[in-house]
Amino acid sequence: RKEVEQDPGPFNVPEGATVAFNCTYSNSASQSFFWYRQDCRKEPKLLMSVYSSGNEDGRFTAQLNRASQYISLLIRDSKLSDSATYLCVVKYAGGTSYGKLTFGQGTILTVHP
Amino acid sequence: NAGVMQNPRHLVRRRGQEARLRCSPMKGHSHVYWYRQLPEEGLKFMVYLQKENIIDESGMPKERFSAEFPKEGPSILRIQQVVRGDSAAYFCASKQGAVNEQFFGPGTRLTVL
Repeated sequence: RKEVEQDPGPFNVPEGATVAFNCTYSNSASQSFFWYRQDCRKEPKLLMSVYSSGNEDGRFTAQLNRASQYISLLIRDSKLSDSATYLCVVKYAGGTSYGKLTFGQGTILTVHP
Repeated sequence: NAGVMQNPRHLVRRRGQEARLRCSPMKGHSHVYWYRQLPEEGLKFMVYLQKENIIDESGMPKERFSAEFPKEGPSILRIQQVVRGDSAAYFCASKQGAVNEQFFGPGTRLTVL
């Protein structure tokens, strides 16, 4: 079983749609959670951190459920520029983790006119 | 204020040759992580280094791969006797001390013919 699992999609949605991505992680010692965005053939860039209380940044809302080991990202009012691969990322606690990030395989989103 | 620099951006090697990938972290950052992204897959951690020290190389193949981060100069990921399966995008990320966020470089795309 993969440490971080995402639905790879692809998700094809019209502009203005609301789309939700889900992610599960297997290691309960996970400490920090993030959503990154990766454009085609570019480096991943931090979209937002995910907190237990849930957090919002403009049109983006992230949720974390530690009991279910589940993370979500909601994008409202999709824009063409939101087209990208969205990566669910987990950082584990513990002395030997050293802050390394564990990535899901990514969910591809295409927003069309 | 330059970000993380990687060079070369594209590297083509024939099977059996050596590949050297360089990463210059952001100014003031002394922690470097290397990740590999195989085609159609998520990023996978390879190695974590601080100046002159390898802290965690648990994600790096035991043979042919090595990494260093000397006191002066960039971090180097070295792949000896490359094989077709080494073809991938190699990203490095840097961070400063205990700060959470890792900043990614643009990556080196290695193609082995």
